[in-house]
Amino acid sequence: NAGVIQTPRHKVTGKGQEATLWCEPISGHSAVFWYRQTIVQGLEFLTYFRNQAPIDDSGMPKERFSAQMPNQSHSTLKIQSTQPQDSAVYLCASSLEGGQNTLYFGAGTRLSVL
Amino acid sequence: QQKVQQSPESLIVPEGGMASLNCTSSDRNVDYFWWYRQHSGKSPKMLMSIFSNGEKEEGRFTVHLNKASLHTSLHIRDSQPSDSALYLCAASFGSSGNKLIFGIGTLLSVKP
Repeated sequence: NAGVIQTPRHKVTGKGQEATLWCEPISGHSAVFWYRQTIVQGLEFLTYFRNQAPIDDSGMPKERFSAQMPNQSHSTLKIQSTQPQDSAVYLCASSLEGGQNTLYFGAGTRLSVL
Repeated sequence: QQKVQQSPESLIVPEGGMASLNCTSSDRNVDYFWWYRQHSGKSPKMLMSIFSNGEKEEGRFTVHLNKASLHTSLHIRDSQPSDSALYLCAASFGSSGNKLIFGIGTLLSVKP
């Protein structure tokens, strides 16, 4: 089992450009999560899918961020018109569904907006 | 407003010493608590979970939970330099499924 796979590992964009981040969850896991980590804010919840359906996007900045899960083997997080404050490590995690199941994190994508 | 508060923000202990980390939820609707460990440059990995009142021990690590006070603590005995990491407390709430809310973390340094 390769674990949660995130690509790319690093991404550099110019201000105003678009960034798309990819996540392949662990096979058989029905829940997929996106988090963002910065020194100041810590690990912040962004959005959550269960069986590919969006369940909770309460952490997503509404205007420029969107997430999709077109099939059970991958999810994408898209940031339009990137801003310097979007610079962070974006972490994807997956788990079996159920409140007592562990979240397994990918290695993350470090996004740098210049 | 953080639903999960951790203290201290940072902690230095000598090798072989005891490290004690604290975590409290500000939301009484908390269901479960987890402790994750994140080494520098790596992603968080689940260390221990606790779902009911009491104590749970795994090797050098012990976790306590007091649901009435919404408080959990992690204790590391015989601390090793390899224990140096960011320790994140996480909790799930009410009908949120297994979405976790994380605290800001405690940065532990174990000095040889």
